Amino acid sequence: AQSVTQLGSHVSVSEGALVLLRCNYSSSVPPYLFWYVQYPNQGLQLLLKYTTGATLVKGINGFEAEFKKSETSFHLTKPSAHMSDAAEYFCAVNFNAGNNRKLIWGLGTSLAVNP
Amino acid sequence: IAGITQAPTSQILAAGRRMTLRCTQDMRHNAMYWYRQDLGLGLRLIHYSNTAGTTGKGEVPDGYSVSRANTDDFPLTLASAVPSQTSVYFCASSRDRGSPYGYTFGSGTRLTVV
Repeated sequence: AQSVTQLGSHVSVSEGALVLLRCNYSSSVPPYLFWYVQYPNQGLQLLLKYTTGATLVKGINGFEAEFKKSETSFHLTKPSAHMSDAAEYFCAVNFNAGNNRKLIWGLGTSLAVNP
Repeated sequence: IAGITQAPTSQILAAGRRMTLRCTQDMRHNAMYWYRQDLGLGLRLIHYSNTAGTTGKGEVPDGYSVSRANTDDFPLTLASAVPSQTSVYFCASSRDRGSPYGYTFGSGTRLTVV
């Protein structure tokens, strides 16, 4: 079955430290990959996406992610965490095989940034 | 600003009552979706619409209905609310289902059924 796994429901980092949020998916077909961010009491906002081309993609707020087909991963990173990065982060994968397109969501990772 | 408007922002509803959550988009997106978000369960798709005039069932459609009379509006109706429908509901849209451009989300409706 198609699935998206976010390793770690809660991640805590210190301000200025590296942020690494993990996302793995199951697929035999190259997918579209997304990261969304949800700030408290708000809707989800697209952070970045991979569709084709360069496997390292850059998004808003200094975040980037690398698509690694061999590892079926799309981990999200940011070199230096800011307090404002505290939010819920969701990985989503569009398994775009033929007409059976379906967006599968990970369960989310809550990022806390400590001063 | 282009986007999705959801109403109401929050609501407390007595069990057994009927309620319609409204969703309007101004981006001329073909596809629209309703999700519910519950702690520990992530986002679960309730219903979707690939284009005006068509709808489909998602993962958790029971107790909910939708309609898509035009491109812009996609209301979600709870015919007879139950406490298990207490949740935060998000409407979203995309250019097409499976779009590589991603989804745009509304700000959500927080519903409490008592």
